[in-house]
Amino acid sequence: GAVVSQHPSWVICKSGTSVKIECRSLDFQATTMFWYRQFPKQSLMLMATSNEGSKATYEQGVEKDKFLINHASLTLSTLTVTSAHPEDSSFYICSASPGFDQETQYFGPGTRLLVL
Amino acid sequence: RKEVEQDPGPFNVPEGATVAFNCTYSNSASQSFFWYRQDCRKEPKLLMSVYSSGNEDGRFTAQLNRASQYISLLIRDSKLSDSATYLCVVAGGFKTIFGAGTRLFVKA
Repeated sequence: GAVVSQHPSWVICKSGTSVKIECRSLDFQATTMFWYRQFPKQSLMLMATSNEGSKATYEQGVEKDKFLINHASLTLSTLTVTSAHPEDSSFYICSASPGFDQETQYFGPGTRLLVL
Repeated sequence: RKEVEQDPGPFNVPEGATVAFNCTYSNSASQSFFWYRQDCRKEPKLLMSVYSSGNEDGRFTAQLNRASQYISLLIRDSKLSDSATYLCVVAGGFKTIFGAGTRLFVKA
């Protein structure tokens, strides 16, 4: 089956630092990758959609300058949380799709971020 | 009104019980429907797709009522390992919406 990895699985950082999260599709080419955020007891919220080689499309209310997304290859996308603050503490999950839609997507294991 | 609504639960049931989850969606143009399972601190995993004719996979039965914009998931003979959060997911028009999930605790 399709496997998606994320690194790191968890990170604790000080307020003001930047954190980079990697998402890799290990056995297929991901035309599209999606980045989600999930707060405790809440649903997954789509943050942005990225296609290889083009700028990411951000959902309403998500600051593109704060959450930098790079999709440099068909197997790798990165999310950088810049100048992280405690309210950015959350569970960040990526998913990858061989196509352009979200209907067929394979989730990574998630990255738990805690900003002190 | 939320685009996808679920009863948050939690549902506390004994082993062997039958439990049903409901989900309603607001966009009548939605085309695809899924149930995902999410364990604590883990990523969601696809449990099953939901078809108009209804579909069954072992102890799990999913049904869709387009007229009422309603999806259900029935779990029969529940196991301890079924304890998780069940997410209703509705897709259409390059947009996928996740429900907040219903928590299930199955106890011995």
